[in-house]
Amino acid sequence: AQTVTQSQPEMSVQEAETVTLSCTYDTSESNYYLFWYKQPPSRQMILVIRQEAYKQQNATENRFSVNFQKAAKSFSLKISDSQLGDTAMYFCAFRAGNDMRFGAGTRLTVKP
Amino acid sequence: ETGVTQTPRHLVMGMTNKKSLKCEQHLGHNAMYWYKQSAKKPLELMFVYNFKEQTENNSVPSRFSPECPNSSHLFLHLHTLQPEDSALYLCASSQGLGPTDTQYFGPGTRLTVL
Repeated sequence: AQTVTQSQPEMSVQEAETVTLSCTYDTSESNYYLFWYKQPPSRQMILVIRQEAYKQQNATENRFSVNFQKAAKSFSLKISDSQLGDTAMYFCAFRAGNDMRFGAGTRLTVKP
Repeated sequence: ETGVTQTPRHLVMGMTNKKSLKCEQHLGHNAMYWYKQSAKKPLELMFVYNFKEQTENNSVPSRFSPECPNSSHLFLHLHTLQPEDSALYLCASSQGLGPTDTQYFGPGTRLTVL
């Protein structure tokens, strides 16, 4: 069975600084997708970034980028130039076929 | 953020009550999902529907009964719940079931079982 582990329950960062959230996963699948979702205090979860396992190039969306290390089964999220609006729970997720698994989340607080 | 709506936003019920959660999506999507979000635990996928047909049931107890009358509406009927069922229940929708079909989430229903 697939598992997703986020080892940092809580993190904080100063506004305008850079922060990296960790995620590791375990799978025997060769073709899969990885995701980072953001859930602000208002609770509506949104997709931040997606990575296809067969693509070696790391995905980037504006200030958000990932460091995908397939051999190490690691998928970290880097947030550059952190903004107050980045304060949220961040969930790492894995999908192979119809099987979708989420990590327990990391609560990120951006401090002014 | 009004693409997927959920009602009620908060629900308190006793273990002998029967209640229903409602989800509606206004995005023209074909797939809908129910997730359970408990404190400090990973999000759990409960049910998946595609074109009104259930495609996934992840060993969810029968006290949770989903219903999908059309592609825009999804219900979760609750009866004889346990206190450990207290959680945030999230609905999501996507165009299809592919991994590149982004899931759009609703705001959730905060359920408390007394």
